[in-house]
Amino acid sequence: GENVEQHPSTLSVQEGDSAVIKCTYSDSASNYFPWYKQELGKRPQLIIDIRSNVGEKKDQRIAVTLNKTAKHFSLHITETQPEDSAVYFCAARANDMRFGAGTRLTVKP
Amino acid sequence: GAVVSQHPSRVICKSGTSVKIECRSLDFQATTMFWYRQFPKQSLMLMATSNEGSKATYEQGVEKDKFLINHASLTLSTLTVTSAHPEDSSFYICSVHSHNEKLFFGSGTQLSVL
Repeated sequence: GENVEQHPSTLSVQEGDSAVIKCTYSDSASNYFPWYKQELGKRPQLIIDIRSNVGEKKDQRIAVTLNKTAKHFSLHITETQPEDSAVYFCAARANDMRFGAGTRLTVKP
Repeated sequence: GAVVSQHPSRVICKSGTSVKIECRSLDFQATTMFWYRQFPKQSLMLMATSNEGSKATYEQGVEKDKFLINHASLTLSTLTVTSAHPEDSSFYICSVHSHNEKLFFGSGTQLSVL
């Protein structure tokens, strides 16, 4: 089955800096790659996703890139703000959705 | 996106009792719902896929007699933790795929077994 690895597990940046989170997947049949933001005790919220026929997608300060050949995809957050602090999960879907271990992002004011 | 409602949000029970968690898809008819479990500071682990009108599909290592899933309608799936023990304490969360494959989550249920 699909195996998703996510790095780093924790990330601390200064407000205004960029943050990058990277994920790799194992199943070449995976064709959908969402990213979720989860605040403490709350449900994961979909923030951006990308499908396998696209290499990059951007939504304001958030962007995702996908390299199907290398089987890795990344989340980029620019101009980070304290409210971006949360746990971020990547996921990959072949038959079902599998999640990475999560990255705890802290944005220091 | 799909609106998913989950109840209760928090439950505390005694060891040996059973707890039922409901997951409702409010604006989307879901033939399939998913149940995840999340331990503190850990990722979302798929427990089972709930199929409307048929048996759920369980992931390896998940006891089907322990975690009973019923998906009797296109808008409701229930997860019953039977004979709960302290090690079952966790955050349980359901999800639904919308028509465009996006996955939306319920608000989760924090289960604490004393």
